[in-house]
Amino acid sequence: DAKTTQPPSMDCAEGRAANLPCNHSTISGNEYVYWYRQIHSQGPQYIIHGLKNNETNEMASLIITEDRKSSTLILPHATLRDTAVYYCIVRAYSGTYKYIFGTGTRLKVLA
Amino acid sequence: GAGVSQSPSNKVTEKGKDVELRCDPISGHTALYWYRQSLGQGLEFLIYFQGNSAPDKSGLPSDRFSAERTGGSVSTLTIQRTQQEDSAVYLCASSLVQGPNEKLFFGSGTQLSVL
Repeated sequence: DAKTTQPPSMDCAEGRAANLPCNHSTISGNEYVYWYRQIHSQGPQYIIHGLKNNETNEMASLIITEDRKSSTLILPHATLRDTAVYYCIVRAYSGTYKYIFGTGTRLKVLA
Repeated sequence: GAGVSQSPSNKVTEKGKDVELRCDPISGHTALYWYRQSLGQGLEFLIYFQGNSAPDKSGLPSDRFSAERTGGSVSTLTIQRTQQEDSAVYLCASSLVQGPNEKLFFGSGTQLSVL
């Protein structure tokens, strides 16, 4: 079973920041938070990951709460091409290596 | 460089037939994953290969499903005696770096339709 909870869908106006929440209240100390997205008819694409510190790269920012029970993916200036399903995944880097994908959040960026 | 390549992109078969799906990972990537995605659903883990280690087959849904990876590169997922519920997109991913900084690179998948 997926260890994360995400809203099934969200809308965002083009040019505005898209804030996608994820709840992972049962996360363990050695588990990282990963975000992937899947644009229609393509395989998922890596976005960002983190353990407990906030992270930023060219695609997005990841904000993880201090208790690590939730996180938010931020797309600072959403474009129409960001319309996709966004998956939040928690995963330990030892032992089993399989990623457990949930059903994600379907983000629709509106013109 | 080339990404993960999967073939065929589409496969239509009759119930009861066997099918083989192929995945060419990115050159040099030691880890390879197979996932299945039914219409409107998330990704379901099937199997994971890492180098010469025994594969993690814990996600294979039945003994009709099997996979192999020859020479640490190309992988083939075989479904025997296909059923209609096997209809889905089968996705392959590979990765180079193990551990917390691992990034999966996915192919575009094989759309399998069992009639």
